[in-house]
Amino acid sequence: DQQVKQNSPSLSVQEGRISILNCDYTNSMFDYFLWYKKYPAEGPTFLISISSIKDKNEDGRFTVFLNKSAKHLSLHIVPSQPGDSAVYFCAATAGNTGKLIFGQGTTLQVKP
Amino acid sequence: KAGVTQTPRYLIKTRGQQVTLSCSPISGHRSVSWYQQTPGQGLQFLFEYFSETQRNKGNFPGRFSGRQFSNSRSEMNVSTLELGDSALYLCASSGNFRPYEQYFGPGTRLTVT
Repeated sequence: DQQVKQNSPSLSVQEGRISILNCDYTNSMFDYFLWYKKYPAEGPTFLISISSIKDKNEDGRFTVFLNKSAKHLSLHIVPSQPGDSAVYFCAATAGNTGKLIFGQGTTLQVKP
Repeated sequence: KAGVTQTPRYLIKTRGQQVTLSCSPISGHRSVSWYQQTPGQGLQFLFEYFSETQRNKGNFPGRFSGRQFSNSRSEMNVSTLELGDSALYLCASSGNFRPYEQYFGPGTRLTVT
């Protein structure tokens, strides 16, 4: 039972354009959501988080949107840069704890 | 601040052996979580420790265990290794205010032959 799903295994965008990564979840008890970026042979790097009481959170080029009714969140990267090429994971947790449930990841390629 | 450190970075073990992995969290972080990453199953939560107590546990067999010391450093142990235990084992730490915002170490790559 996969509670967090990233249905697109890969995404390719042109440098300077917007990258939109999507994530769906099934557990209505999730109340914190996060996005991580991962390069090969490294640990995931925290990007941005959002709590269920908000529907949007911004940090520089990264914006996360949360649609609780649809159980859907998305990460927007504007403008996309070649250095953004990596695997992106969404994660969720129920309650303010360190137990994160991860999606399967989406590989983003930003072409120069 | 120094980041999360994990030792060793690479490890090769034989089926049936046991292994201990170590994690030092970011200074001041008291929560440490462990994850297993494999190509087939992705990133899966193993357990979380806070102030030397296990606070959460994932769906892994009892061969996987952990502990946390008074200085917040943590170890995980896998006994009776199986080929399927080959994976990247990741440790993450977080602060008291937002335990869900976890900062990961580089991982330990375990290969079981």
